[in-house]
Amino acid sequence: GAVVSQHPSWVICKSGTSVKIECRSLDFQATTMFWYRQFPKQSLMLMATSNEGSKATYEQGVEKDKFLINHASLTLSTLTVTSAHPEDSSFYICSAGGGFTEAFFGQGTRLTVV
Amino acid sequence: GENVEQHPSTLSVQEGDSAVIKCTYSDSASNYFPWYKQELGKRPQLIIDIRSNVGEKKDQRIAVTLNKTAKHFSLHITETQPEDSAVYFCAASPTGTASKLTFGTGTRLQVTL
Repeated sequence: GAVVSQHPSWVICKSGTSVKIECRSLDFQATTMFWYRQFPKQSLMLMATSNEGSKATYEQGVEKDKFLINHASLTLSTLTVTSAHPEDSSFYICSAGGGFTEAFFGQGTRLTVV
Repeated sequence: GENVEQHPSTLSVQEGDSAVIKCTYSDSASNYFPWYKQELGKRPQLIIDIRSNVGEKKDQRIAVTLNKTAKHFSLHITETQPEDSAVYFCAASPTGTASKLTFGTGTRLQVTL
């Protein structure tokens, strides 16, 4: 199956700093990437949909100025959490879209803001 | 938008018994229903999926049933084993492909010896 590589797998940052998470499609081109967030013991919630070469579409309640998404190429999408605060601590995971018959998830990134 | 409810939130079964997890969805346009197994700190792993033109699908010890009229689908695991212990999520998508997924709330399955 297709491989989506997500980095870093975990990161600890200080409150107020920014963190960038990368998702790369290794052996295929992902025209669309979905970004999910999962708080401890909760479900995956879609944050935004990024399309290569265009602006991301954010779900209701997700601050687009705080969670910056860039999808500049067909193999790379990035999520930047700006001015991170402890309440942003979560598991962030990407999923490649674009008409595939199954979702291909990255490994996920555990973000801890201290 | 789509809303997916999942029950039960926790399920404990003895090894060898069957486990059933149920989900309901709200959007009649949804036509792709995957089930995922997630271990702590790991990505969701697809274990089985079903599309709206099929009522039942089976893969060894795992089966999924879909009732489009009632808008519910269920996961059945037979002959459970300790390694089946994990959190299971159902999901729904309106596009027929694994694109934008709405997930259920999850079921923590514990298989005891």
